[in-house]
Amino acid sequence: EAGVAQSPRYKIIEKRQSVAFWCNPISGHATLYWYQQILGQGPKLLIQFQNNGVVDDSQLPKDRFSAERLKGVDSTLKIQPAKLEDSAVYLCASSLGRGWSTNEKLFFGSGTQLSVL
Amino acid sequence: SQQGEEDPQALSIQEGENATMNCSYKTSINNLQWYRQNSGRGLVHLILIRSNEREKHSGRLRVTLDTSKKSSSLLITASRAADTASYFCATDAPSNTGKLIFGQGTTLQVKP
Repeated sequence: EAGVAQSPRYKIIEKRQSVAFWCNPISGHATLYWYQQILGQGPKLLIQFQNNGVVDDSQLPKDRFSAERLKGVDSTLKIQPAKLEDSAVYLCASSLGRGWSTNEKLFFGSGTQLSVL
Repeated sequence: SQQGEEDPQALSIQEGENATMNCSYKTSINNLQWYRQNSGRGLVHLILIRSNEREKHSGRLRVTLDTSKKSSSLLITASRAADTASYFCATDAPSNTGKLIFGQGTTLQVKP
């Protein structure tokens, strides 16, 4: 089966510019996650969707970050305006999302590496 | 905040040796998962152990869980150069939403 697709693979922007990332989860996966991974650290959850509804966005910097999953399938994550500290790898993941099951594994995309200069 | 913390941060061994990584966490969990990340790639799920399980095996991987000590270990036996990667433990959040909280990871280098 096809995995989680993400684009672009790399992005370099100047600070204060805007950027958008796209993710297409595995077909049939109801839950979609965006994680931020700063170099040398573990992934940090930014936002979690169940179908097209937001389950958790407690660590999303809402003054500059936004995300949507309008039709409950693919998703976009946007940063506007970008700061130097936003340089990181942005990982999208999906899981089956069977109700509130907590015993599910996540499938990750290869990520988008963002450099803010 | 991070729930799981791995130890050691970095580990270097020779091919054929065993590698052991430890993970400690702070709050009660339903399950703990281990993931591998090769350089420049996404994370790949390795194994999931539930809170009522003490040990689980998958190929050359052995995971233990001690809920009384809030700790887990991942053992890779007979390591290969291809095992070179970063390894992360992840625990489900107390909110029971399926959210996973990842630790900082252990970087493993297996020398041929």
